[in-house]
Amino acid sequence: EAQVTQNPRYLITVTGKKLTVTCSQNMNHEYMSWYRQDPGLGLRQIYYSMNVEVTDKGDVPEGYKVSRKEKRNFPLILESPSPNQTSLYFCASSLKWTAFSGNTIYFGEGSWLTVV
Amino acid sequence: AQSVAQPEDQVNVAEGNPLTVKCTYSVSGNPYLFWYVQYPNRGLQFLLKYITGDNLVKGSYGFEAEFNKSQTSFHLKKPSALVSDSALYFCAVSALEYGNKLVFGAGTILRVKS
Repeated sequence: EAQVTQNPRYLITVTGKKLTVTCSQNMNHEYMSWYRQDPGLGLRQIYYSMNVEVTDKGDVPEGYKVSRKEKRNFPLILESPSPNQTSLYFCASSLKWTAFSGNTIYFGEGSWLTVV
Repeated sequence: AQSVAQPEDQVNVAEGNPLTVKCTYSVSGNPYLFWYVQYPNRGLQFLLKYITGDNLVKGSYGFEAEFNKSQTSFHLKKPSALVSDSALYFCAVSALEYGNKLVFGAGTILRVKS
């Protein structure tokens, strides 16, 4: 089954304790991205990757890191989490994606992160 | 103007009645428009998209949306609502000026009551 898989789905952590949210897709997609969802703000892009070893900042990259060493994986790293990073995080992927590719972006099931 | 606006935080409709979830956009060029749905404790599921061609787009679960260039709108519709349609709906736009991302509206909660 074609899917985007995120782990963990739910996590409560403490301020400053490094954590990684993994994302894996089995569709051989080139494009991958991370979004965070906050009430009243919709989804905002954190980072994206057009292909292996190609990553770039989205709208809200502060406090996050990513890497794309393999095509299928795109982990999101919070080096020193803070309470304002409490949010619902979505990983997404698409075959090849640019503003006018017309391709659909597929999302994972989300990771609820609480930083106390 | 907001890139994507969903003017209603919540829409309430009775089961069996038609439903509309509104979306307007603001781009300087031609947009690509998408609707996604988020069921409780689930990820975002793709419903439908407008790329080009026929202004009326049909998608999953009986939903459809109409692209209206003059009104810069892309409202989501369904002729007969089901209780199971209750969810959070997001409109999103991609356009050259926004780079390599989808820009999402704030979302609209749809509640269908039996």
